[in-house]
Amino acid sequence: GAVVSQHPSWVICKSGTSVKIECRSLDFQATTMFWYRQFPKQSLMLMATSNEGSKATYEQGVEKDKFLINHASLTLSTLTVTSAHPEDSSFYICSASGGGDQPQHFGDGTRLSIL
Amino acid sequence: EDQVTQSPEALRLQEGESSSLNCSYTVSGLRGLFWYRQDPGKGPEFLFTLYSAGEEKEKERLKATLTKKESFLHITAPKPEDSATYLCAVENTGGFKTIFGAGTRLFVKA
Repeated sequence: GAVVSQHPSWVICKSGTSVKIECRSLDFQATTMFWYRQFPKQSLMLMATSNEGSKATYEQGVEKDKFLINHASLTLSTLTVTSAHPEDSSFYICSASGGGDQPQHFGDGTRLSIL
Repeated sequence: EDQVTQSPEALRLQEGESSSLNCSYTVSGLRGLFWYRQDPGKGPEFLFTLYSAGEEKEKERLKATLTKKESFLHITAPKPEDSATYLCAVENTGGFKTIFGAGTRLFVKA
């Protein structure tokens, strides 16, 4: 149980392109979803927290116009990196929680490479 | 400020050589402490949640313990397939925000 699917797993695109990443909870309802960024050999840096039907809460230093988050249903959240540039290249990971004392369950991440 | 520090950064063990990973934390109010395993190029896999000092949880060769200031992940007779990065995270009672440590990279040699 508690499976989170993230798609795509790998994206390579040109600078200026917008990229959408999907995060789905397959077998539970995710009241809260989280988006993280991870640099090589470093820990997870929380970018934003989203609750179904509400606007996402962004961490300090994260540009909300750059990283658009939509949590349209209890099983789907999307992260759109708008007008991506090489410095946006990173490993992006989503997680989902069923609320209460439930832990976060993670997707397998998306490797984003901007040329 | 809430903080999580894991040590060592990397640990190399021979197969069967038991050891422990440390997670020291400071948090205004602890709601839960989590251990995750992360394989290269993958998302973290949930292992344990600990809620209060004195609590212990076990899963196969892994055992997690918790005090008021730190948590240990004990690995008994590790196998090469236990090689991974182990992440510790704490969630505070205030904003329910989860803070991750930098992880311990474990290498187990056959």
